[in-house]
Amino acid sequence: EDQVTQSPEALRLQEGESSSLNCSYTVSGLRGLFWYRQDPGKGPEFLFTLYSAGEEKEKERLKATLTKKESFLHITAPKPEDSATYLCAAPNQAGTALIFGKGTTLSVSS
Amino acid sequence: IAGITQAPTSQILAAGRRMTLRCTQDMRHNAMYWYRQDLGLGLRLIHYSNTAGTTGKGEVPDGYSVSRANTDDFPLTLASAVPSQTSVYFCASKVGTSNTEAFFGQGTRLTVV
Repeated sequence: EDQVTQSPEALRLQEGESSSLNCSYTVSGLRGLFWYRQDPGKGPEFLFTLYSAGEEKEKERLKATLTKKESFLHITAPKPEDSATYLCAAPNQAGTALIFGKGTTLSVSS
Repeated sequence: IAGITQAPTSQILAAGRRMTLRCTQDMRHNAMYWYRQDLGLGLRLIHYSNTAGTTGKGEVPDGYSVSRANTDDFPLTLASAVPSQTSVYFCASKVGTSNTEAFFGQGTRLTVV
C-alpha cells in the first residue's frame, strides 16, 4: 500500500535551534518526493521536489534531502516566521495523484 | 495573478442540502484534484481528473461527485450533505505527469449542521 509517514507530529524550537523533520514512504518506484508548507487557513504552498536518492535542495533556512526510503527537511537557525505545518507527498503507484503525510507542525519561538 | 480560485471561502450548510464547491484554474493544467483536510487525518483525495472529460475516484469519494467539462473548471458537488462532510476542501492542479508538483487553492471551509 502506498503510504507516506511524517514525524514528529509537532515540534517546538527556540529561534536559532536547528532540527530536522522526517518523511518516510513506501511508494514503489518513487517518481518524486514533494515538500509543502501550509500556514493556518491557507492552502499548501510548494517548496521542493526531490527525484533521486542523494539529491538535495535548499531554500533560505530549509534544506531537503532524499534517501531510498526517506526524506528529511532540515531547518537551520529557524525564525518565528518558519512556524507552519510542513507536508510531504509522493505520487501514488498509479500516478493518479499525490498522497500526503499528516504533516509536522513546527512552532518557533523567539 | 495566475492560480487556483475556490468559492465560496466558507459555508455553513444544513444537513440534507445540495452544495457545489467551485474551483477554477488559469494555468491550463491538465490534471485537477479535490482533497479534504481533517485534523489528525491529513489531506485525503476525493476525486481527480487527469484531463478534461475524464474523472476518477480517490480515497474518499462517497457522497461526492465531480465533473470536468473543460480544462479550467472542476466543481465538487455534495448531493445531500451530512455532518461527517464538515471539513476544509482544497482544489489542486498540476501539469499532468506524475512527477510534477501540484498547486493548491486557498480552500473552502464547510460546516454541515
